[in-house]
Amino acid sequence: QKEVEQNSGPLSVPEGAIASLNCTYSDRGSQSFFWYRQYSGKSPELIMSIYSNGDKEDGRFTAQLNKASQYVSLLIRDSQPSDSATYLCAVNRPNDYKLSFGAGTTVTVRA
Amino acid sequence: DTGVSQDPRHKITKRGQNVTFRCDPISEHNRLYWYRQTLGQGPEFLTYFQNEAQLEKSRLLSDRFSAERPKGSFSTLEIQRTEQGDSAMYLCASSPSWESEAFFGQGTRLTVV
Repeated sequence: QKEVEQNSGPLSVPEGAIASLNCTYSDRGSQSFFWYRQYSGKSPELIMSIYSNGDKEDGRFTAQLNKASQYVSLLIRDSQPSDSATYLCAVNRPNDYKLSFGAGTTVTVRA
Repeated sequence: DTGVSQDPRHKITKRGQNVTFRCDPISEHNRLYWYRQTLGQGPEFLTYFQNEAQLEKSRLLSDRFSAERPKGSFSTLEIQRTEQGDSAMYLCASSPSWESEAFFGQGTRLTVV
């Protein structure tokens, strides 16, 4: 089982719609969760971090964490063409120095 | 610009040559990471420094790879006797503490021909 798994995509949504991205992780003791956005040919850019169960909103982005289900999601409301990118889920496991990344979900927003 | 800085941005090298990449982290961050990313994959962990101490190395890191962080400031990643399979984006990230957000540099894209 991979440490971090994301829905494979690609995900295509019309402009103005909600894009929903999912991520599951294997280590129940994980405590820190991050979403990065990566444009083609560029490096990952941090967009959200979440540490406790529930929802966290930042502009058009909402991260949701459910530790019991080992599940973290990212919602992008009012999707814009500029949101077209690959979204990476990253998890910081206990007693582990590094962030573990999923393979990413590519989102395309259709104008 | 106070973000993570990597140099060079692009490197093309012939198979068998040695290459060295540099990373300058955000100044107050004592944790520095190197990752490698290939097309369609998420970043794969290579190694981690806390200040000048290299605390973890991935099994991905063969003997041809070495990294340093003298004086806990900038870091270098050297690849000796490059192979075509080394072609990838090499990413450096830094963070202020464990469980904190990690911020990435622009990356160094290596092409081995």
